[in-house]
Amino acid sequence: GAGVSQSPSNKVTEKGKDVELRCDPISGHTALYWYRQSLGQGLEFLIYFQGNSAPDKSGLPSDRFSAERTGGSVSTLTIQRTQQEDSAVYLCASSFKPGGSTEQYFGPGTRLTVT
Amino acid sequence: QKEVEQDPGPLSVPEGAIVSLNCTYSNSAFQYFMWYRQYSRKGPELLMYTYSSGNKEDGRFTAQVDKSSKYISLFIRDSQPSDSATYLCAMDKDGDMRFGAGTRLTVKP
Repeated sequence: GAGVSQSPSNKVTEKGKDVELRCDPISGHTALYWYRQSLGQGLEFLIYFQGNSAPDKSGLPSDRFSAERTGGSVSTLTIQRTQQEDSAVYLCASSFKPGGSTEQYFGPGTRLTVT
Repeated sequence: QKEVEQDPGPLSVPEGAIVSLNCTYSNSAFQYFMWYRQYSRKGPELLMYTYSSGNKEDGRFTAQVDKSSKYISLFIRDSQPSDSATYLCAMDKDGDMRFGAGTRLTVKP
C-alpha cells in the first residue's frame, strides 16, 4: 500500500512569505506527527495529532507556525512570515496506535529553503 | 543537557566490520527504545525497537538496552556498503518521542 506522502518535496521561498506543507498519512492511521530536521540535528518534534485534534502543540517554535488536520487524514503545516532559520527538512509521520506508538512511518520530507 | 545524546560521527568502517552505535539518555521515564535508519534525502525508517533492558537480535542487527546506565546500542555485524546511512536512536514515553542527532555511517567496499 501507499506510504506517507508529502508535498512539495522541495520549496524555495523568500523571507517573509508564507508556506504550506502537506502530509498525506497512511490510510487508517489515527496519529500524525510533524518533525523538523536541521543539518546535523536530530528530529525536532513540532506537533502531534490524534484524529483531528492536537493534544500536544508544545513543539511549535513560534506563533508563526500552525498546523491543522481535517477528516482525520491530510494535515497542513503552515509557516507564516518565513525566516531563514526556518530552513530545514520538515518530516511527517503517521502511526496506527494512538498515543504511545513505537511504529511511526515517515514520509520523505519537504526540504524548505528560505532565501 | 539534551534528553538524548548521540555522537553524530561521521563514522567510516571497511566492509565486514562490526559497527557499534550508541546513545545515552537522561529521562528514566522512557519506555520504548528505537533505532531508525535514514538514507540520504529519505525519511527515517524503523529498524528495531525494544521495550525492556537486554538484547534483541534481527539478522545482522542487535539492539541493546541498559536502563540502569541509560545507555542503548545498535550493533551491525558484517557491515555492508548498503548499510551506509544515518542511524537515529529514539525514545518514547506515552507517545512523546525524542530523537538523537543521528550518526552518519559509511561502509567502504
